[in-house]
Amino acid sequence: SAVISQKPSRDICQRGTSLTIQCQVDSQVTMMFWYRQQPGQSLTLIATANQGSEATYESGFVIDKFPISRPNLTFSTLTVSNMSPEDSSIYLCSVGRDVANEQFFGPGTRLTVL
Amino acid sequence: EDKVVQSPLSLVVHEGDTVTLNCSYEVTNFRSLLWYKQEKKAPTFLFMLTSSGIEKKSGRLSSILDKKELFSILNITATQTGDSAVYLCAVSLSNTGKLIFGQGTTLQVKP
Repeated sequence: SAVISQKPSRDICQRGTSLTIQCQVDSQVTMMFWYRQQPGQSLTLIATANQGSEATYESGFVIDKFPISRPNLTFSTLTVSNMSPEDSSIYLCSVGRDVANEQFFGPGTRLTVL
Repeated sequence: EDKVVQSPLSLVVHEGDTVTLNCSYEVTNFRSLLWYKQEKKAPTFLFMLTSSGIEKKSGRLSSILDKKELFSILNITATQTGDSAVYLCAVSLSNTGKLIFGQGTTLQVKP
């Protein structure tokens, strides 16, 4: 399985500010996704990070709030913009070699918005 | 709407017990079913199942898929306190690879 790192591992932010989360993989992967896990809930897909093109967002998530970049096959960023306390969650990236293979998760970023 | 349902939502057992966790699904474009263990933040991959009736096994854990009845089970034998975690079931969609997760089963193993 790939080695995945995320930065930061946790942060406490003030409402109205933005935070960019990085996901780095030690090998090239086709698939990269961003998930959110709100307190006491399961994982919900935010978007698919597409290399060299705009991300594909799930219903309920928009680019203005969660801009995503994926400049190459090993790196992606998720920005949580204009944060409110409702954005307090764990944010996770996942990767897969291709659509048919298993997905592995990064260590996650625990975000608290005050 | 694609849906994955896990049961029970929580379970308390004693060390040495055997547990069975259930996952049923209703999705279009099914590709595979995956099980994860989540102890802190990151889900850890356990199994990926694509074919019916073929058991996958890793130590005390095993899992099987029934694509006709649209469910999977995860068995843990001789449970240990280290098995305490949230177990997540997810279905991968064939055209996109994205995962649809169930609510999770919280397992607590008491000494």
